[in-house]
Amino acid sequence: TQLLEQSPQFLSIQEGENLTVYCNSSSVFSSLQWYRQEPGEGPVLLVTVVTGGEVKKLKRLTFQFGDARKDSSLHITAAQTGDTGLYLCAGFFYNNNDMRFGAGTRLTVKP
Amino acid sequence: AAGVIQSPRHLIKEKRETATLKCYPIPRHDTVYWYQQGPGQDPQFLISFYEKMQSDKGSIPDRFSAQQFSDYHSELNMSSLELGDSALYFCASSLAAESNEQFFGPGTRLTVL
Repeated sequence: TQLLEQSPQFLSIQEGENLTVYCNSSSVFSSLQWYRQEPGEGPVLLVTVVTGGEVKKLKRLTFQFGDARKDSSLHITAAQTGDTGLYLCAGFFYNNNDMRFGAGTRLTVKP
Repeated sequence: AAGVIQSPRHLIKEKRETATLKCYPIPRHDTVYWYQQGPGQDPQFLISFYEKMQSDKGSIPDRFSAQQFSDYHSELNMSSLELGDSALYFCASSLAAESNEQFFGPGTRLTVL
């Protein structure tokens, strides 16, 4: 079983649509990262959230960290074909030094 | 800006052979992490090193070992390779004093025949 649950697992939308990806855990994160991964390449760090309730924006991407620090969301506005990829959340938990990944959301944006 | 460097990028080995993967962290980074990612799976943490000492251990098989050297580069040694070891192996690095943000290398694709 995954320590971090990501949903949806697959998402296929048209260019210009909005979407939200979710990352949830039953445990409290000490910090959480969102990554984007292209096939055959390493994950690229998008953002790190640390404070409960934190909201960070990266151009058309908005990242939110839940007040209880057990969940996070990634919202993309007006998706573009270049947003296609695998989006992974990864978190550190208290009393645990290693980072755990969610299973990822595979996003396809069609022209 | 300099990124994490991994070599080789691709490696093909036979069953029961050995393989050595190398990782060169971002300059000034003192912590190195190794991950294994199977097809369609998320990265699984194997092992990490901080200041040349093993800091944490994940799902690394006993057939694998790793170390971090005085110049902070790291090597993952894999022996008695099995078909199931075929995967992408990523190295990530971070600067412990700043944050636990990990920056990933491009990976080594290992194929065991």
